[in-house]
Amino acid sequence: EAQVWESGGGLALPGGSLRVSCEASGFLFKAYAMTWIRQSPGKGLEWVATISGGGDAAYYSDSVKGRFTMSRENSNNTVYLQMTGLRGADTAVYFCAKGNSLGRGYLDSWGQGVLVTVSS
Amino acid sequence: DMQMTQSPSSVSASIGETVTITCRASQDISHWLAWYQQRPGKAPRLLIYAASRLQTGVPSRFSGSGSGTDFTLTIHSLQPEDFATYFCLKANTFPFTFGPGTKVDVK
Repeated sequence: EAQVWESGGGLALPGGSLRVSCEASGFLFKAYAMTWIRQSPGKGLEWVATISGGGDAAYYSDSVKGRFTMSRENSNNTVYLQMTGLRGADTAVYFCAKGNSLGRGYLDSWGQGVLVTVSS
Repeated sequence: DMQMTQSPSSVSASIGETVTITCRASQDISHWLAWYQQRPGKAPRLLIYAASRLQTGVPSRFSGSGSGTDFTLTIHSLQPEDFATYFCLKANTFPFTFGPGTKVDVK
């Protein structure tokens, strides 16, 4: 059974940096794209970034482009989201999810989420 | 960028009823649509992908239909565990875009 779980959330200052991680098990990690999605308190879901299975291509929402970097280490079954230039609007629960074999956006396994709070 | 809309934004229903939720894309996305269920405090769960394919392990009372710009999620014979918020997701090209959600609550 595919499983993913996030770690590394917490409190960051406006303008500061934070890295969240997502570890996976139960599937051939390098074969699947991975995606970060966030949800601000009481709000809907927002796609943040997706990285290809090989890690050679990453895609970002306009709201984080140039500030966030998604990467992966297939040897460790882990993806990362390095967040810099953090803003209050980045406060959210960040979920990591795996795409299925038909499509990168068909997210069939999700972590429990990790809270990132940006505040002074 | 493309927009995804959902209607209704909320619906009240009773156990055993059928609930229909609509998602509309501002441009043709063929079959590239997924439906997710989210219960309070939990991660979303994939219900339907490719507009009409039922995810493994999801009860058959959930069904999806549509293509192009108009899509529907139908929940037959609503069960207590189905009271949740439902989101659609456009998944053809980046940026992926979620709909704003439809909350299904108890009448």
